[in-house]
Amino acid sequence: NAGVMQNPRHLVRRRGQEARLRCSPVKGHSHVYWYRQLPEEGLKFMVYLQKENIIDESGMPKERFSAEFPKEGPSILRIQQVVRGDSAAYFCASSPGLAGADGDEQFFGPGTRLTVL
Amino acid sequence: AQSVTQLDSQVPVFEEAPVELRCNYSSSVSVYLFWYVQYPNQGLQLLLKYLSGSTLVKGINGFEAEFNKSQTSFHLRKPSVHISDTAEYFCAVVNQAGTALIFGKGTTLSVSS
Repeated sequence: NAGVMQNPRHLVRRRGQEARLRCSPVKGHSHVYWYRQLPEEGLKFMVYLQKENIIDESGMPKERFSAEFPKEGPSILRIQQVVRGDSAAYFCASSPGLAGADGDEQFFGPGTRLTVL
Repeated sequence: AQSVTQLDSQVPVFEEAPVELRCNYSSSVSVYLFWYVQYPNQGLQLLLKYLSGSTLVKGINGFEAEFNKSQTSFHLRKPSVHISDTAEYFCAVVNQAGTALIFGKGTTLSVSS
């Protein structure tokens, strides 16, 4: 029973480096979501993707952040030129249908904890 | 715009005591509501959800929640908690676009013996 897989689980980067976070959704799920969790905060939505398309990126910072979900392979969240404020836990979720339209459950991965030195 | 308020950041209780974790939401559209649990260093796991129908929703691990439209609340309850229920609990509502979840800041439930 393979759920959502994320790697790496922990990532340490120095300021100015790039961070790449990977997410493999539940098999058969075509909807992927990325959330960020800052200390003592709830999860904040970043971006929603379907295969090869970004559907909603309203929560994504305008600079340095990008996401993709290619036809083959995992979804990638990429952060360029990281800064200390990027330190957070990044969670990926997937669903079989659209959460809003269908009320489908989002299945969450274990998260990637990014630390920027 | 939708929002979720979890009124208690921390709730300490003794084992076998009842507990209620409060959640209020604001939404101008049809409401889908969720409660998730997060154990330390893990992802979120769905406890229960309300889409429509009966306002009393039963979930896993003995939890239940009641949707109250007039009070815009979706409080989570358990009649008797266990040590293993110690975790962070998040209430969430689907956003207006239907593309994501909006989470509250979470409530830390600490169960002691």
